[in-house]
Amino acid sequence: GAVVSQHPSWVICKSGTSVKIECRSLDFQATTMFWYRQFPKQSLMLMATSNEGSKATYEQGVEKDKFLINHASLTLSTLTVTSAHPEDSSFYICSGGSVDSSYNEQFFGPGTRLTVL
Amino acid sequence: AQSVSQHNHHVILSEAASLELGCNYSYGGTVNLFWYVQYPGQHLQLLLKYFSGDPLVKGIKGFEAEFIKSKFSFNLRKPSVQWSDTAEYFCAVNAINDMRFGAGTRLTVKP
Repeated sequence: GAVVSQHPSWVICKSGTSVKIECRSLDFQATTMFWYRQFPKQSLMLMATSNEGSKATYEQGVEKDKFLINHASLTLSTLTVTSAHPEDSSFYICSGGSVDSSYNEQFFGPGTRLTVL
Repeated sequence: AQSVSQHNHHVILSEAASLELGCNYSYGGTVNLFWYVQYPGQHLQLLLKYFSGDPLVKGIKGFEAEFIKSKFSFNLRKPSVQWSDTAEYFCAVNAINDMRFGAGTRLTVKP
C-alpha cells in the first residue's frame, strides 16, 4: 500500500516557540492531504484539508493562524504550530489521498507527538 | 458533514470470546467505510474497508465487517478474540473525500 511518513515522530518544545511537522507521501502523489489531531484516549479530529497548491480548508474551531498548513508539492505538506502552548500538546497525524485512487482512500502517517512544556 | 457513532466505549472480553463492535453513520449518499486499529503506542492500521460489492468484508487478523445499508451500519466482528487484539478500534466513514472517525472503542482482552 501507499506509504506516508512524518517527521519528527516526537518533539518537545518550550511554550511560545513554533514547531514544524512534515508529512510526506513516499510512493504516490497526494493531491489532497489531511491533518488530524488526537488527544490521549480519544478519536481523531480532522483539523484541515489541503490540496496541492491551494490554501487549506480548516474545520470549525481550528485557528488557521495558529496551525499553518502548507502543501507546496504533491508529496509534501507541513503543519506549523505557531506560538505553541501546553494545550497544543497532542498527537498530530497526517494522511494523503490521491485522485488516482478510485476508492477514495486515505493513507495515514505514523503521527507526531508534540509536547509543549 | 457526516457523523460516525460507535456505541461501545470500552469492551472487556476473555480470550476466545466473540466480538462485535457497533458502528453507525449518518450520511445519505455513497460512502466508503473503514475500520482501523490502534495498538498501544502505535499508529493507525487499516483492518478492513468497504467500497462496493459484497457487504460482508473480510480483513486482516480474522476480522470481518458487514455493511447494512438500510441500517447505516458497519459492524466489526471476530469469532474468537486473542489477548493480542487488545487495542483501540476506530470506525471511519469517507464521503466525497471527507473522512470522519468515530470516537473509538477500547477493547481489552483478558488472557
